[in-house]
Formats: sequence, C-alpha cells, structure tokens
Amino acid sequence: ETGVTQSPTHLIKTRGQQVTLRCSSQSGHNTVSWYQQALGQGPQFIFQYYREEENGRGNFPPRFSGLQFPNYSSELNVNALELDDSALYLCASSGATGLEQYFGPGTRLTVT
Amino acid sequence: DQQVKQNSPSLSVQEGRISILNCDYTNSMFDYFLWYKKYPAEGPTFLISISSIKDKNEDGRFTVFLNKSAKHLSLHIVPSQPGDSAVYFCAASSDTGGFKTIFGAGTRLFVKA
Repeated sequence: ETGVTQSPTHLIKTRGQQVTLRCSSQSGHNTVSWYQQALGQGPQFIFQYYREEENGRGNFPPRFSGLQFPNYSSELNVNALELDDSALYLCASSGATGLEQYFGPGTRLTVT
Repeated sequence: DQQVKQNSPSLSVQEGRISILNCDYTNSMFDYFLWYKKYPAEGPTFLISISSIKDKNEDGRFTVFLNKSAKHLSLHIVPSQPGDSAVYFCAASSDTGGFKTIFGAGTRLFVKA
C-alpha cells in the first residue's frame, strides 16, 4: 500500500508568481483535502475534492484553486503569491468514510 | 474564529506517568472529534477518534473523553513513553459538507525519560 506523497518538498517563489503543488493519494482513496499550516498553528482547511469535483472549501480566496485527476491525484495552484502564503502545505487523502485522513509530509513554500 | 482550541502550547510529563491533552470547541454541530500526532518533517498521523454520541473511546494506551455539555475533550496517554513526544492536534469534523475538518493549534508533548 502506497502512502500519500507530495512534491516538491521545498519551494521558494517570489511575490506575484504562481505555484503548483502536487499530491498522490493513498491507494484506494478517492477524496483529497488540502491544508495550509502556518508556523505555530494547526492545519487550515483549504478545500476538498471527491471524485474530481470540489466538495467543500475553507476561507481562502479564489487565487487558491485545485484539481483532482481520474487517478485521484491532485494539484493545488496558488496565483499572485503573497508573503503570507509562506507555509507548509499538506495534502490528505481519505477513503469511503472520509473521516480518517492520511497526510503526506507536506510541501514547504517560502514566498520572498 | 477558532472553533477548535488547544490552550496549552506545550506539556512536559515524566516517562510512565499520564499525559492529559485538552481541547475545547465552540460548534455543537460537530459529529466527530479526532486526535492526530505529528513528528517533525512528517505529516500528521491519525491517532484516535470519537463520535459525538459517545463519551469515551479507548485504544491501547490512548483514551479520548468527550464532554458535550462542556464542549470539551481530552486525550489521555497512559503510560507515557519518550516516543510519544510530538505535537498533538485536536480536530473536529461534521458529516455534512464532506467531512471538512477543523484543527486546533496543537500541543507539543515532551515525555522525559
């Protein structure tokens, strides 16, 4: 059984640029959620995808967007990067119940 | 608006003793509560959960207690081991809207040998 993987591990971008983060969900899981974790805080829910459709969204602006592919892998896209977007971005997949989530190691994004 | 609060940023406990991590919530519509553990450079790992219709759930050394009237839950670890040293996140979820999960800020547990 393959766990959740994320790429890249680290990324440095300049304010105003765009970034794409990638996630491969655990085998058999059809639901993917993305979280932003700022330093010293808990993960903040960005959005969730279920079978390629957005299935819930947190309080993040539209410049945060996502995709889920037929193999249930997912992308998080952030446009017009701001300094406050610097954070650890976590991807989590879940199965039929959707309750217990399996997290990837995260992508550390630094915006300068 | 913090719907899930962990008011203790850190906790230090001697090996073999009990660790009690606390969590408060404000939204009475939550259906499930979960605890995740996070080691450095790793994603959070699911530890234990409890349904809002129960008041206790036990799994080995880990027990979660839920007090709905007080909107409070706690995680007990007995006996604590040095390997339990990690950040523990309390989380809450509702089965409406696709199990959107709200996390607390976390409590860093240090278990001293």
